[in-house]
Amino acid sequence: DTGVSQDPRHKITKRGQNVTFRCDPISEHNRLYWYRQTLGQGPEFLTYFQNEAQLEKSRLLSDRFSAERPKGSFSTLEIQRTEQGDSAMYLCASSLGSAGHEQYFGPGTRLTVT
Amino acid sequence: DQQVKQNSPSLSVQEGRISILNCDYTNSMFDYFLWYKKYPAEGPTFLISISSIKDKNEDGRFTVFLNKSAKHLSLHIVPSQPGDSAVYFCAASANSGGYQKVTFGIGTKLQVIP
Repeated sequence: DTGVSQDPRHKITKRGQNVTFRCDPISEHNRLYWYRQTLGQGPEFLTYFQNEAQLEKSRLLSDRFSAERPKGSFSTLEIQRTEQGDSAMYLCASSLGSAGHEQYFGPGTRLTVT
Repeated sequence: DQQVKQNSPSLSVQEGRISILNCDYTNSMFDYFLWYKKYPAEGPTFLISISSIKDKNEDGRFTVFLNKSAKHLSLHIVPSQPGDSAVYFCAASANSGGYQKVTFGIGTKLQVIP
């Protein structure tokens, strides 16, 4: 068990560019979550997958954001036409649906939009 | 609207003494409460949890107390160690369409002074 991994760890991009982040959950976990964390705040829920199905999206997830989890394994989060307000830490977490309520987080991808 | 509130942004405690971190919530539908610890440049790490049907859960140096009538929970760390210095997030979950949706507080930064 290598834990949840995220790539890249840091991304600096210019406003208007598209970026894509990847998350590899713990292998047996069927549930995957994306969160966004800004300075001085706790993680805020963005979206949730059960296997390959995206079952919930927060209203924080504007039309510029899209997430996928093909084959129910890794997941990608894409932000199109980035804005400075998108600068944040993007966290991925996974959990096993039949187990406890705990979610296991990756180290996050820090996005800076200049 | 902050459904999970951590009103103390920071706390300093001497090594060996007790650390008490507090959390209040407003949503009576929350049925599970969790504490996460976060070091810089890492994702949050699950620490301890408690079901809403209990009032205390203990794991080594960490104890979580839940007062449902007051909608209040607290995390006690005894004895505090320098390695406990981190940001602690209080979180609460409620069933949302078949999965437990987790809401986080903004965190309390604990500093344990050697």
